[in-house]
Parts: sequence; C-alpha cells; structure tokens
Amino acid sequence: AQSVTQLGSHVSVSEGALVLLRCNYSSSVPPYLFWYVQYPNQGLQLLLKYTTGATLVKGINGFEAEFKKSETSFHLTKPSAHMSDAAEYFCAVRGSGGYQKVTFGTGTKLQVIP
Amino acid sequence: GAGVSQTPSNKVTEKGKYVELRCDPISGHTALYWYRQSLGQGPEFLIYFQGTGAADDSGLPNDRFFAVRPEGSVSTLKIQRTERGDSAVYLCASSPDGFSNTGELFFGEGSRLTVL
Repeated sequence: AQSVTQLGSHVSVSEGALVLLRCNYSSSVPPYLFWYVQYPNQGLQLLLKYTTGATLVKGINGFEAEFKKSETSFHLTKPSAHMSDAAEYFCAVRGSGGYQKVTFGTGTKLQVIP
Repeated sequence: GAGVSQTPSNKVTEKGKYVELRCDPISGHTALYWYRQSLGQGPEFLIYFQGTGAADDSGLPNDRFFAVRPEGSVSTLKIQRTERGDSAVYLCASSPDGFSNTGELFFGEGSRLTVL
C-alpha cells in the first residue's frame, strides 16, 4: 500500500521568498510521485511528476521537486513566490507497475503575502 | 469537449434522497476515476473504470454508493439514501489508460454535494 504525509496544512510566504512544501511517502514498491495544484474554483492539475530516472524533476510555473529515496521525501520548492502561486497543493503517490491507484495527501494551502 | 466535464456543479439534497452525479471524460480516455474530497482533506479514491468495467471499487464506502459506465465513456455515480456525512466534493478524473498510465490524471471541477 502507498500513502503520503504532507507536513503543514497551511504555509505562508512573502512574495519573492522561497516556497518549500513538504511531502513524505510510504510505499511497498518503487513509487511514482506527483504534485498536483488546485487553484480556487478549478480542478486539480498536474504540477510535476517523478517516475524513473533523474531524481530532480521540474514542473510548470518554476516549481521543482527532488525524489530522495533515503529520506522517503518528495518536497516541492520554488525559489521565488509569486502572488499567483496561492493555491492548494497536493502530494500524491502511485506504486509502479501495472494498474495502481493514485493516493493523495491532505493538501497544503499556500498563502503568498505581498 | 476539451476537458473533463462534471454535472451538476452543485447539488443540495435532503437526507434519505437519491442522487446521481455525472462525469463526461476527455474523449478517447479509457480510464475513469471517481474521488471524494471532504472539507480539509485530500481526494479520497472511490472507484476506477477501465472501459466499461469497474476494475477497482475498493474505495466505495458502503453499498449505498454505486457507479456505472455502460458505454465506456460517460460515468454516473449513484448515491442512495444520502446521509449528511456524504456531503463533499465528488471529483472525476480520466486518463488515456489505467495500466500503462504513469499517474497523470485529468480532473474535472467537481460536483459539490450538500446533504441537509
């Protein structure tokens, strides 16, 4: 079985500051890992994903995440926050190989302060 | 349409009533998923269809919940004898294929169900 834990249900950063959203996973098989973003009144959309290969993955809007197997982590970062980054972010995990359901974390709401 | 479409966007009903929620996936996507998102929680898996068949219904909470996808496209989530605890946003997602897909799901905007 797979699960993810997101530390911090709410994170506030100043505009221009570093964004760091934390995610730790648990998986009985090599995982695929994802970050999804949900803007107000919109559906979830994929921000980035790790499947195999390079452990540092880049996504849309300047976000990136690093898969660290030794730490079972997949933290999301962005060097400089924009007001438009205010949204809810969900970490998700899926086991590799064949069909596996995608399991989501509880989400982190990011507030960007001008 | 271009994206996943869900109707209704909002549904208010009374305890004990029957509700149907509809999902129209992206054209050509064979895999369809239903999730439920309660307030302050992440999406919780309910059921996955590959084509017309329910390949994984392990997330359905009880036998009041049922979903169909008779022609392998549109899906309907059916909730009988609704309870206040069923109040949530019901999310539908699709993907090109459930087996080879590496996990990118395309979500609709959800149907918000409120049970009074």
